[in-house]
Amino acid sequence: DIQMTQSPASLSASLGETISIECRASEDIYSNLAWYQQKSGKSPQLLIYAANRLQDGVPSRFSGSGSGTQYSLKISGMQPEDEGDYFCLQGSKFPRTFGGGTKLELK
Amino acid sequence: EIQLQESGPGLVKPSQSLSLTCSVTGYTITSGYDWSWIRKFPGNKMEWMGYISNSGSTNYNPSLKIRISITRDTSKNQFFLQLNSVTTEDTATYYCARWGRRYPHYWGQGVMVTVSS
Repeated sequence: DIQMTQSPASLSASLGETISIECRASEDIYSNLAWYQQKSGKSPQLLIYAANRLQDGVPSRFSGSGSGTQYSLKISGMQPEDEGDYFCLQGSKFPRTFGGGTKLELK
Repeated sequence: EIQLQESGPGLVKPSQSLSLTCSVTGYTITSGYDWSWIRKFPGNKMEWMGYISNSGSTNYNPSLKIRISITRDTSKNQFFLQLNSVTTEDTATYYCARWGRRYPHYWGQGVMVTVSS
């Protein structure tokens, strides 16, 4: 199985701060990576797919980058509504595997 | 608008079977896509469990292969999860999702299942 290592596990950011979350794959996943946001008690929402493609309706302050085994999600200007859990998912091989998640809080 | 809703018992005894239903509205499950089950453990680790395709074929996570079955009732536009011989390690929030070619775009709200005697 492809192992997805996500960091940091938790993060506290000030309003307007730019933050990054990383996912490292145990092998090349050829940009087949998605990022999700999950707020407490809600279902996950797709933010980014194919490493850097913004899902329709997602604010442009979210962006994704990376290739090979290294990927990142950037939030350019933390907003209160960005609080929640974030996780990555590799779509390269079965079984699909997830990163361990990052809890993002507003400082 | 497509919606998915999980339902099923919130408490299952060890060694018994866990059975969940995902009811889909706004899209016919035979029209396309793969229909998946995913679970999130306490501590936030997530696991893809498997899917049933729009044609009825299945693909399971090898870690669950001997215990899992995903089936469907096309007349009710529902698909189901059965997980046999559960242990406390199967305590999790279970989600159903519509899976595109590589990623799920639509998820249910999730149902928490506790395995305990």
